Amino acid sequence: SQTIHQWPATLVQPVGSPLSLECTVEGTSNPNLYWYRQAAGRGLQLLFYSVGIGQISSEVPQNLSASRPQDRQFILSSKKLLLSDSGFYLCAWGSGGAEETQYFGPGTRLLVL
Amino acid sequence: QKEVEQNSGPLSVPEGAIASLNCTYSDRGSQSFFWYRQYSGKSPELIMFIYSNGDKEDGRFTAQLNKASQYVSLLIRDSQPSDSATYLCALDTGRRALTFGSGTRLQVQP
Repeated sequence: SQTIHQWPATLVQPVGSPLSLECTVEGTSNPNLYWYRQAAGRGLQLLFYSVGIGQISSEVPQNLSASRPQDRQFILSSKKLLLSDSGFYLCAWGSGGAEETQYFGPGTRLLVL
Repeated sequence: QKEVEQNSGPLSVPEGAIASLNCTYSDRGSQSFFWYRQYSGKSPELIMFIYSNGDKEDGRFTAQLNKASQYVSLLIRDSQPSDSATYLCALDTGRRALTFGSGTRLQVQP
C-alpha cells in the first residue's frame, strides 16, 4: 500500500530564516505530487504541483519554491520566511489520470515568529 | 462568488441522527467530487468520491451529486461522536489540482 511521509511535523522559525520541508511517497511510481497550505480556519490553497522529476508548476507567486529531485520526493523551500508563511503545509499524492484521487500526508505545522 | 461554497457551521446533530452536509460549486466543467474529513490538528482524510449524477453509498456515508444544480452533498447515517470533525468538499475542475471549500464543522452530541 502507499504511504506518504512529511517532516518535520512541527517547526518554529524566525522571520527571515530559510525553510525546507520534505515529503516522500512509498509504494507507488511516478505519482503526481502537490503542496497545499492551510491557514488557520481556512480552506486548502494549492502552492505547487509536479507531474514528474524536475517538473514544477506554481499556482501562487510568493517567496516559496518547490523541487522534485527524485520520483517520490517533493521539497518545499524558502530563502527568507515571512510571518504570513505560517500555516499547516500538506503534501499530497495522486496517481494521475482523469479521475485522480489525492491522498494527504500528515502535514507540517509551521509557525513563523 | 467562491468556486466551492460550504456552510462553515457548526452543524450540530444528536448521536444516531443523520447529518447532511452540503456543497455548491460554480464551475460547470467540474467532473470529480470528493469529501474529506479533517479532525482538529490533523490532515484531511478522503472518505468519499463521486463522478456521476446520483447517489453513491459506502457504509454509513452517502454522497449525492446533482451536476445540473451544481451541488454535492454528504449524508452520514447513525452519526457518532467520532464523526465530529470538519468536512471538506473538493472538486476537480480539470486544472490538475483540487479546489477546496472552507469546510463544514460537524458536532455530534452524545
